[in-house]
Amino acid sequence: GENVEQHPSTLSVQEGDSAVIKCTYSDSASNYFPWYKQELGKRPQLIIDIRSNVGEKKDQRIAVTLNKTAKHFSLHITETQPEDSAVYFCAASEDNYGQNFVFGPGTRLSVLP
Amino acid sequence: DTAVSQTPKYLVTQMGNDKSIKCEQNLGHDTMYWYKQDSKKFLKIMFSYNNKELIINETVPNRFSPKSPDKAHLNLHINSLELGDSAVYFCASSHQTGKVFSTEAFFGQGTRLTVV
Repeated sequence: GENVEQHPSTLSVQEGDSAVIKCTYSDSASNYFPWYKQELGKRPQLIIDIRSNVGEKKDQRIAVTLNKTAKHFSLHITETQPEDSAVYFCAASEDNYGQNFVFGPGTRLSVLP
Repeated sequence: DTAVSQTPKYLVTQMGNDKSIKCEQNLGHDTMYWYKQDSKKFLKIMFSYNNKELIINETVPNRFSPKSPDKAHLNLHINSLELGDSAVYFCASSHQTGKVFSTEAFFGQGTRLTVV
C-alpha cells in the first residue's frame, strides 16, 4: 500500500520568511496530492492540491511542486504570517474505485512574530 | 449549511461501554471515510465506503463496525471501548464515480472520544 513520509515534523520561521514542507510517497500509481491545514481543535481543510499531470501549482502565497520521477512533492508558503501557524498534512491517493487518502504524519508550523 | 457533520462533538465514556458516532454529508458524494487522529496528530484511515459498500478496512479491531445505511451516512459503532480508543475521529467524504482524477476529501469537525 501507499506510504507517505513528511518532513520536517516541526518548523519555526520568522514572520515574512518562507516555509517549505516536503513529502515523499511510495506508490507510483498515486496521482492526486492534496495539502491540508489543520488549526488547533479544528478539522483539516484543503489549502491546495496538485494532480499528476501538473508539475507546479500556485495560489497566492502558497505553491506546490510535484516530481513524479522522484515521487516527492512540496508545499511552499511565502511571506508567512502568524495565521499560517497550524499543522499541515500532505496526502496521496489514486483514482481507483474507493480511493484511499493516505496522509503524511504532519508538520507543525509556527510563524514567530 | 454544514457539508459534513458529525455527532457528537465530544464523547466521554467508561471502559467497556458501546458507543456510536454519526456522520452525514449533504454534498452528494459517493465515498465516505473514517479517520482516527491520535494524540500525536497522525491521521490514519480506518474505513472507506463507496456507494454504501465497504472498500477499505485497515487494520482496525473488530470492535469497530461501520454502518452505511445510505450514501449520505456513515456511522461508526464501537463496542467494548478501551482506553486506547481515546482519540479524535474524523468523518470525511469525496466524490469518485466517473472522475478521472481523485477529488479532495471534505472533513467533518471531528468527535473527541475520551475513554475513562
